[in-house]
Amino acid sequence: QLQLQESGPGLVKPSETMSLTCTVSGGSISTDNYYWAWIRQPPGKGLEWIGSISYTGTTYYTPSLKSRVTMSVATSNNQFSLKLSSVTAADTAVYHCARHCPFKGVVNLRQQLARGNFDYWGQGALVTVSS
Amino acid sequence: QSALTQPASVSGSPGQSITISCTGTSSDVGGYNYVSWYQHHPGKGPKLLIYEVTNRPSGVSNRFSASKSGNTASLTITGLQAEDEADYYCGSYTTMYTIAVFGTGTKVTVL
Repeated sequence: QLQLQESGPGLVKPSETMSLTCTVSGGSISTDNYYWAWIRQPPGKGLEWIGSISYTGTTYYTPSLKSRVTMSVATSNNQFSLKLSSVTAADTAVYHCARHCPFKGVVNLRQQLARGNFDYWGQGALVTVSS
Repeated sequence: QSALTQPASVSGSPGQSITISCTGTSSDVGGYNYVSWYQHHPGKGPKLLIYEVTNRPSGVSNRFSASKSGNTASLTITGLQAEDEADYYCGSYTTMYTIAVFGTGTKVTVL
């Protein structure tokens, strides 16, 4: 059974950079069949997709966060990571990592991801932005 | 970014059936058959219940079913059980600027 677990500091100061790592167990991150995603949920609000990364490092980010987001992958550790810079209180949220399952019925990779779904999730890590 | 619209809450008694709606536009829910549904018990990771409008992943109870009509997708839970009390989110393909868009979420309460 695939499992994902987020880890990282739970408290970050405004204007600083937050970092989270997702450790994948029960399966290899090094596969062409899936991408690996970060999705957040601010308190009392819905889910927001942040971005997805392949094991080779190809990334897709949501436009509203693109200028502040960096995702990376460490295949030797079966991990992938999220960095979000210049954080504000609006970035306070539970951050989930997830496996992004693309729809293989189209050729274009971005369209595969857009038509796909998130089939395994971590339980989430609360990150609070406060001084 | 604009989220898909879901009712804030839906409730039902054990054994009853409930339906959760997810309303979008022709740019997402209405235009394409790539709607997914997720169950989220607080403190746990969300669980994929439905993908591509009506498909259930292996291991998901057949008490969960889904459909779509026009710009609105629906998730139906039959034979409601206490363990179904959770938050439910829809997700959809969108032609807009992002890869994934989710619904506003619905809290299901089992009375």
